[in-house]
Amino acid sequence: DAGVIQSPRHEVTEMGQEVTLRCKPISGHDYLFWYRQTMMRGLELLIYFNNNVPIDDSGMPEDRFSAKMPNASFSTLKIQPSEPRDSAVYFCASSDLKSTGYQETQYFGPGTRLLVL
Amino acid sequence: AQTVTQSQPEMSVQEAETVTLSCTYDTSENNYYLFWYKQPPSRQMILVIRQEAYKQQNATENRFSVNFQKAAKSFSLKISDSQLGDTAMYFCAFMTTGNQFYFGTGTSLTVIP
Repeated sequence: DAGVIQSPRHEVTEMGQEVTLRCKPISGHDYLFWYRQTMMRGLELLIYFNNNVPIDDSGMPEDRFSAKMPNASFSTLKIQPSEPRDSAVYFCASSDLKSTGYQETQYFGPGTRLLVL
Repeated sequence: AQTVTQSQPEMSVQEAETVTLSCTYDTSENNYYLFWYKQPPSRQMILVIRQEAYKQQNATENRFSVNFQKAAKSFSLKISDSQLGDTAMYFCAFMTTGNQFYFGTGTSLTVIP
């Protein structure tokens, strides 16, 4: 299995531009998570999906952020318009629900390093 | 509230020595999972070890082992025979019935040659 795939790996953009981050979860996984990591705030959960349906988006910082999961193999995180304070590493992770009723672990993608100038 | 506390922002250890990273957590749940993730300079998040709260036996993965004290809500990671490749940020995390992960702030470990 190729693991969780994220693209792009690095993104440099100017303030005000739209940024789209992409994620392909591990095949068969029914949970998908978007995290943001900064030095100031550490690792933050932004939103997660179960079976393509957003379950909890309380971590999304503001209306400039939106996430979609049109099918089981693809998700996007969009920032429009972007601001310098959005600069961070954005991780996508996926997992599957075991018979225990728990995920048991999350598998992280390599992350997208975003720099907004 | 669910919280994870890593009280050691930075640690260092000599190569081939043993080091222990601390983690405490707070939850009212009785059943949950605990994890240690490693994040090397490449920024990749790598699962190091996992512990089910209902299991009394401490998990072990090669040079990595945990000391799980459920009553004390403590979950420390021991790295034996430290190697240069162990230099990384280490995150403690736990997951409850809500299937949501809670991460600590991380401990930056440096292995000194």
